[in-house]
Amino acid sequence: NAGVTQTPKFQVLKTGQSMTLQCAQDMNHEYMSWYRQDPGMGLRLIHYSVGAGITDQGEVPNGYNVSRSTTEDFPLRLLSAAPSQTSVYFCASYSPGRPEYGYTFGSGTRLTVV
Amino acid sequence: KNEVEQSPQNLTAQEGEFITINCSYSVGISALHWLQQHPGGGIVSLFMLSSGKKKHGRLIATINIQEKHSSLHITASHPRDSAVYICAVRADRGSTLGRLYFGRGTQLTVWP
Repeated sequence: NAGVTQTPKFQVLKTGQSMTLQCAQDMNHEYMSWYRQDPGMGLRLIHYSVGAGITDQGEVPNGYNVSRSTTEDFPLRLLSAAPSQTSVYFCASYSPGRPEYGYTFGSGTRLTVV
Repeated sequence: KNEVEQSPQNLTAQEGEFITINCSYSVGISALHWLQQHPGGGIVSLFMLSSGKKKHGRLIATINIQEKHSSLHITASHPRDSAVYICAVRADRGSTLGRLYFGRGTQLTVWP
């Protein structure tokens, strides 16, 4: 099924560990973005990309890295996990050329840092 | 100050009631989205609006561009409508082109 695939769905990390959250879409969307969702805070933009090879920071980029080597994939790297990064992470994609289809969200990754 | 404000934050209703959730925004937008999130679940796009009104089943979304305001209505509410409803706007200019700004969501609970 066409859409955005996020892996893993759940992850527990120890403080200081690193990991990569995967995001892949098969809709040929140019825009991809990562959000974190915390209670009472709503969704906040971490990093986004407007196309392969182009990335930029959002509201809360510290502690995270991204790259976009292909149109399909947009992994999010946690360099040295901290308890403050405990959150639910969502990846989303969008095509400005087909705005009528709106944004498509992945199913989320629930991350706990202990 | 949040670019997107939603009200109410929490809403409880009896099955069958008419529900309204409001969204006001302060940035220039190319479109407004209403999203739905069930507990522990993913985020689903309900509507994308750039003007006027859209209807899908028991859900109706309206937008007033001049007043920078949108409403989401649910007619004949049902317990399965219980979810968080999120308003998001897509910026229309400059370095933020295409970027989404989110409201903090409205937790709706519908009792049988």
